[in-house]
Amino acid sequence: DAKTTQPTSMDCAEGRAANLPCNHSTISGNEYVYWYRQIHSQGPQYIIHGLKNNETNEMASLIITEDRKSSTLILPHATLRDTAVYYCIVRVDNAGNMLTFGGGTRLMVKP
Amino acid sequence: NAGVTQTPKFRVLKTGQSMTLLCAQDMNHEYMYWYRQDPGMGLRLIHYSVGEGTTAKGEVPDGYNVSRLKKQNFLLGLESAAPSQTSVYFCASVTRTSGYNEQFFGPGTRLTVL
Repeated sequence: DAKTTQPTSMDCAEGRAANLPCNHSTISGNEYVYWYRQIHSQGPQYIIHGLKNNETNEMASLIITEDRKSSTLILPHATLRDTAVYYCIVRVDNAGNMLTFGGGTRLMVKP
Repeated sequence: NAGVTQTPKFRVLKTGQSMTLLCAQDMNHEYMYWYRQDPGMGLRLIHYSVGEGTTAKGEVPDGYNVSRLKKQNFLLGLESAAPSQTSVYFCASVTRTSGYNEQFFGPGTRLTVL
């Protein structure tokens, strides 16, 4: 699976959009981009995933660049409850494949 | 649905003791996983199972054994606990129906080995 690079930490004001970048320059054509988050002391939570088109769900939007070498997770209106570590993961969507978690980005949403 | 549950939530062991962590899911998921998370680190895969009666090694399998006798349960065993196994253990499951996209995680088991 391709390696990802994320900033170690970011701050965001409550109510503003949080934009979390992820670089995955060695991504292969059949690898998806996944985002999970982990709120303190809890198990990770799936947020969104995509292959090459932008995706949106009730939690967030995922913007993938045309060359697929980077992506951005957007939380449109961050709340204090969005404070968490966000993991960008790249992997092939195969049966039985596992998630490889890196260090992630620690997002702090401030009042 | 209760989702993914883990027992116990906390445990303290002495070096050399054994224990079993239980993961249960009520979503009829085919795949189940055991991860460990050390302080300030991401999760690392210990073992996983693609179905009842089958298991496979992950990234850090040494010192652990697993069993999947029933589809809904995935057990993680430590035969002789060591301080290096102090960690938070997470179980996860996923279904073929969703295209294996969304892994559901349990709340974790905090294990301390003295």
